[in-house]
Amino acid sequence: AQKITQTQPGMFVQEKEAVTLDCTYDTSDPSYGLFWYKQPSSGEMIFLIYQGSYDQQNATEGRYSLNFQKARKSANLVISASQLGDSAMYFCAMREGPGGYNKLIFGAGTRLAVHP
Amino acid sequence: DAEITQSPRHKITETGRQVTLACHQTWNHNNMFWYRQDLGHGLRLIHYSYGVQDTNKGEVSDGYSVSRSNTEDLPLTLESAASSQTSVYFCASSSLTSEQYFGPGTRLTVT
Repeated sequence: AQKITQTQPGMFVQEKEAVTLDCTYDTSDPSYGLFWYKQPSSGEMIFLIYQGSYDQQNATEGRYSLNFQKARKSANLVISASQLGDSAMYFCAMREGPGGYNKLIFGAGTRLAVHP
Repeated sequence: DAEITQSPRHKITETGRQVTLACHQTWNHNNMFWYRQDLGHGLRLIHYSYGVQDTNKGEVSDGYSVSRSNTEDLPLTLESAASSQTSVYFCASSSLTSEQYFGPGTRLTVT
């Protein structure tokens, strides 16, 4: 069974607008973590944001925020004030278990295009 | 500055040959991982290691092996390369509490 689902293969947004990239997950472990990575066309994987299953507040990092809805098992990435440099692939990933053993399961990714 | 490097960055090899991809990190991280990236699949875990002499199989380990003789290196070996192993390979490392830091990737083509 797929553990991380990103249902949007591609998205586009106008520059300066906000965009939400969807991610749902499936786990029975009460301790887990959710990550978002960005992969620009150059190919490197860039860490954006992290949310732990026990964190009370939604994570934020600059223009990135994570809309964490535990009951719905969703961890959507919100990018505010989109910039042309945000055009990239975005991957949601999950770590099951406590932080010391943190192999990741990745979704298939969402390709975001930011239009001027 | 600490970093994680992979070599070679690009490799073309023939079916049946043994290939080794290198991964070296200077973060002093205990955990190291190998993933492959294919269109439509995101990244899939091949092998991982939580410390020296520790190795574990991931989701897609068939045809691959790793060894961990020191903290800094986790080489990935394709015992007998197959066309299905044409992919982009990423190495990553992490501490017990950090996110994973990824190398730049190796593009492998098996002809």
